[in-house]
Amino acid sequence: DTEVTQTPKHLVMGMTNKKSLKCEQHMGHRAMYWYKQKAKKPPELMFVYSYEKLSINESVPSRFSPECPNSSLLNLHLHALQPEDSALYLCASSQDRGGPQETQYFGPGTRLLVL
Amino acid sequence: EDKVVQSPLSLVVHEGDTVTLNCSYEVTNFRSLLWYKQEKKAPTFLFMLTSSGIEKKSGRLSSILDKKELFSILNITATQTGDSAVYLCAPWSGNQFYFGTGTSLTVIP
Repeated sequence: DTEVTQTPKHLVMGMTNKKSLKCEQHMGHRAMYWYKQKAKKPPELMFVYSYEKLSINESVPSRFSPECPNSSLLNLHLHALQPEDSALYLCASSQDRGGPQETQYFGPGTRLLVL
Repeated sequence: EDKVVQSPLSLVVHEGDTVTLNCSYEVTNFRSLLWYKQEKKAPTFLFMLTSSGIEKKSGRLSSILDKKELFSILNITATQTGDSAVYLCAPWSGNQFYFGTGTSLTVIP
């Protein structure tokens, strides 16, 4: 099973709302990632968690707040977003960061629209 | 600075044609390179390449890595309309994956 699940599939929110994106994997992977992808652009790394600790934060604005409650779950809390934050948010996981043979699997994504 | 360049940026071919997609990279502490296919949704994994010169094959798709010249190619033979997608390469540094801009492939019936 190479499944990464994400909820919700679609989200529309106002600039004053607070919402959360959720990601789950049961592959025993110890690295989990959040990416943001705009139309016709490659995925852009936001955060990496390794063994439930935040290891990479690619200078993401504080209105995005990641959380890794356990090794299977990854959340992205959203607050006071801007319309330019509208994008596809992808979660991914991989087995063990640092290993030479690392394969990353993506969830289906959450398509976010900020009004 | 780490860099991944894919070429061509876009490609339009007819069904049955063979295509070659290129990925060149400069990534510190390079470990391996992944290829993904992205249609309307999330990228789906195609290949992981770790060793130079060893071809990986899956049906009509094949890929090879050259760690000396720092590039990889993805070949698709006898293309079909279902191959229409963006193909992304992603070198792995042992720390994070670096995505190229992708090659958009359109296969016309």
